[in-house]
Amino acid sequence: QKEVEQNSGPLSVPEGAIASLNCTYSDRGSQSFFWYRQYSGKSPELIMSIYSNGDKEDGRFTAQLNKASQYVSLLIRDSQPSDSATYLCAVSDYKLSFGAGTTVTVRA
Amino acid sequence: NAGVTQTPKFQVLKTGQSMTLQCAQDMNHNSMYWYRQDPGMGLRLIYYSASEGTTDKGEVPNGYNVSRLNKREFSLRLESAAPSQTSVYFCASRGVLTSPTDTQYFGPGTRLTVL
Repeated sequence: QKEVEQNSGPLSVPEGAIASLNCTYSDRGSQSFFWYRQYSGKSPELIMSIYSNGDKEDGRFTAQLNKASQYVSLLIRDSQPSDSATYLCAVSDYKLSFGAGTTVTVRA
Repeated sequence: NAGVTQTPKFQVLKTGQSMTLQCAQDMNHNSMYWYRQDPGMGLRLIYYSASEGTTDKGEVPNGYNVSRLNKREFSLRLESAAPSQTSVYFCASRGVLTSPTDTQYFGPGTRLTVL
């Protein structure tokens, strides 16, 4: 059973700041890594996927992967109130294993 | 293209009652999944179906059964509901089991309360 650990929240950041979310995983054979955003009462939606070591940028979001350290992170630049949500880290081979999530609150 | 649909959206059961949660996807995905989500616990896999005709247990299968009716539909059955099964249930689907990079898509969820 894979273990996926996320930094405990909640994380509160001022509008315009950078929110940094961290995730570690136990299975060195994991090949794919995903970040999902989940608004309260809604289902998870994919915001980022990363498969290779390094950084991947998509708009205000940057995912970072370090397979040697078994570590994946998500940076949210210029945080907006609409970014307030729970962020789930997921690690995959043929099934996804999820972390417990980190709740982010962006205060105006 | 509706994606992944689930019925019902809400359900209240009494202890010992049975019910079936329905899930359907129109993306021609091979793999389908059932999760439960409890506060502070993240998403936990109950059962999954890698392809039509196959089902496998996930992390928390006790008290549940599943049926992969066809490629589109994957149902979850609670034979004798217990208060510990109060949760939000999500169905998900994914394209090709042999590709770990495939994205998984979620349905809107079913909020189940067992009294």
